[in-house]
Amino acid sequence: QQQVKQSPQSLIVQKGGISIINCAYENTAFDYFPWYQQFPGKGPALLIAIRPDVSEKKEGRFTISFNKSAKQFSLHIMDSQPGDSATYFCAASSSGGSYIPTFGRGTSLIVHP
Amino acid sequence: NAGVTQTPKFQVLKTGQSMTLQCAQDMNHNSMYWYRQDPGMGLRLIYYSASEGTTDKGEVPNGYNVSRLNKREFSLRLESAAPSQTSVYFCASRGLYNEQFFGPGTRLTVL
Repeated sequence: QQQVKQSPQSLIVQKGGISIINCAYENTAFDYFPWYQQFPGKGPALLIAIRPDVSEKKEGRFTISFNKSAKQFSLHIMDSQPGDSATYFCAASSSGGSYIPTFGRGTSLIVHP
Repeated sequence: NAGVTQTPKFQVLKTGQSMTLQCAQDMNHNSMYWYRQDPGMGLRLIYYSASEGTTDKGEVPNGYNVSRLNKREFSLRLESAAPSQTSVYFCASRGLYNEQFFGPGTRLTVL
């Protein structure tokens, strides 16, 4: 059972455009929603994260939008650059228990120059 | 600080061979994890260790064993490798705010 559904599976954007990746979750106990960025041949690295007490978090060109009632959150990359080309994973976890994160299946982003 | 380190980086095994993947973290984190990454499947949890001295199964534990040697080290063992275990393996530790710190990965091919 996939508890975090991520879409699209792949995304091609022109340089300067906006990249949008969406995730939907089912478990209402989730209270931590990070996004990870992974370059080819490397391990994933935390990009940005949000908790459900806010609806939006922005760090530079990267923004998470969070809709608690719809159980959805999304990553927006403004002014996308070729260097943003990577695989992006959303994840969700709850503070209770063993903090086991559930990952989306990933989105391969290609930004054309 | 090196963060999370993994050895080896690459490995080729024949079916039935055994090997141990090593992982260490220098961030004094309590919880550590082993994932495998396969195309289109995301990151799937194999085993985790919430604290030194404890280990628990994740989503895909069959064919693997783990040892939490001390607070820093968490190893993953394949007793009898199978082609289905061809994958990229990542070790991770959990930070103060629940974020995961990943190692660089081990790329394993089982022939």
